[in-house]
Amino acid sequence: AQSVAQPEDQVNVAEGNPLTVKCTYSVSGNPYLFWYVQYPNRGLQFLLKYITGDNLVKGSYGFEAEFNKSQTSFHLKKPSALVSDSALYFCAVRGVDTGRRALTFGSGTRLQVQP
Amino acid sequence: SQTIHQWPATLVQPVGSPLSLECTVEGTSNPNLYWYRQAAGRGLQLLFYSVGIGQISSEVPQNLSASRPQDRQFILSSKKLLLSDSGFYLCAWSPSGTGRETQYFGPGTRLLVL
Repeated sequence: AQSVAQPEDQVNVAEGNPLTVKCTYSVSGNPYLFWYVQYPNRGLQFLLKYITGDNLVKGSYGFEAEFNKSQTSFHLKKPSALVSDSALYFCAVRGVDTGRRALTFGSGTRLQVQP
Repeated sequence: SQTIHQWPATLVQPVGSPLSLECTVEGTSNPNLYWYRQAAGRGLQLLFYSVGIGQISSEVPQNLSASRPQDRQFILSSKKLLLSDSGFYLCAWSPSGTGRETQYFGPGTRLLVL
């Protein structure tokens, strides 16, 4: 079985400061890892993914994430937060070797960026 | 480019009434299709997914069903809605084939069962 943990329900950060949203995962074998963002009453928007290769992945809107296999983590980061980054963020995983196509999502972390 | 549509955007239905939510994808062929439910604005629960016409996998037993009558059409249905069916329903698609796992989501349908 595969699972994702987002240990923080909410992260508060001041505008201009760096932000980190944490994600750890559990799969059999190697993972595909994803980050999505959701604004109120909207669908999820794809931010970035790790499939293979470089452990540091860069995505949309200045976000990046680092894959750490030994810690089974895929934390989302941004060097300088914007008020417009305030939203709900989801981490998702799928095991490379599973026949199941669907992703497993974490419970989400609400990011609040204060001006 | 590919786009995904869902309708209706909002729906208010009485308990015991039927349900039909529709999702269509444009600009791609043979996509994998998914239905999720999001309750209370947080975690996503996978309900159904489909890798082809007429091929539906159910993740959670419940009073909902899904159908894929055409390659790019995915329908979520119920014969009799329950109060607990209220939520935000999201359709998603991903390209077929291995290594192309990214899912792209529609705008969602907010369902309120009274």
